[in-house]
Amino acid sequence: AQSVTQLDSQVPVFEEAPVELRCNYSSSVSVYLFWYVQYPNQGLQLLLKYLSGSTLVKGINGFEAEFNKSQTSFHLRKPSVHISDTAEYFCAVTRSGGYNKLIFGAGTRLAVHP
Amino acid sequence: GAGVSQSPRYKVTKRGQDVTLRCDPISSHATLYWYQQALGQGPEFLTYFNYEAQPDKSGLPSDRFSAERPEGSISTLTIQRTEQRDSAMYRCASSPHGAGRSSYNEQFFGPGTRLTVL
Repeated sequence: AQSVTQLDSQVPVFEEAPVELRCNYSSSVSVYLFWYVQYPNQGLQLLLKYLSGSTLVKGINGFEAEFNKSQTSFHLRKPSVHISDTAEYFCAVTRSGGYNKLIFGAGTRLAVHP
Repeated sequence: GAGVSQSPRYKVTKRGQDVTLRCDPISSHATLYWYQQALGQGPEFLTYFNYEAQPDKSGLPSDRFSAERPEGSISTLTIQRTEQRDSAMYRCASSPHGAGRSSYNEQFFGPGTRLTVL
């Protein structure tokens, strides 16, 4: 079975500052890893994914994440945030291959202040 | 359609009533997932369909919950005798390929149905 821990429930940050949202996962099999974003009153939108290959993956809106197998982490980063990045961010994992039910973390609320 | 749609977007019901939620997946998408998201939590898997088959319903919390996808397209999630603990956002997602593939099969999420049980 897989599990995901998002270490911060809320992250306040000032506009144009860098941000890191932390995610750790647990799995006995190889996995795919994802970050989703949820804006108010909208559905979940895929930000980026790690399937294989390069451990640094780039997504939409200037976000990137690094897969670290030894630390079982997949932290999300952005060098300079905007007010519009205010949203809830979910880290998710699924076992690689076969059908892909997603296991989500509890979410991190990113609040960007002017 | 252009994306996954769900209806109704909001549903308020009284404890003990039955409710049915609907999901319209992206046209021709083979697999369809239902998730339940309680307030302050991430989505949790309920069940999924591979076309009209329902290979995994291990996440359904009780026998009051059931789901159908009779023609391999639209799906409904029914909750009988609703309880206050059923209050949550119910999310549907669809993926283009059947479950037999060994490669990644991206899930596209709908806007969700917010269910409130009074």
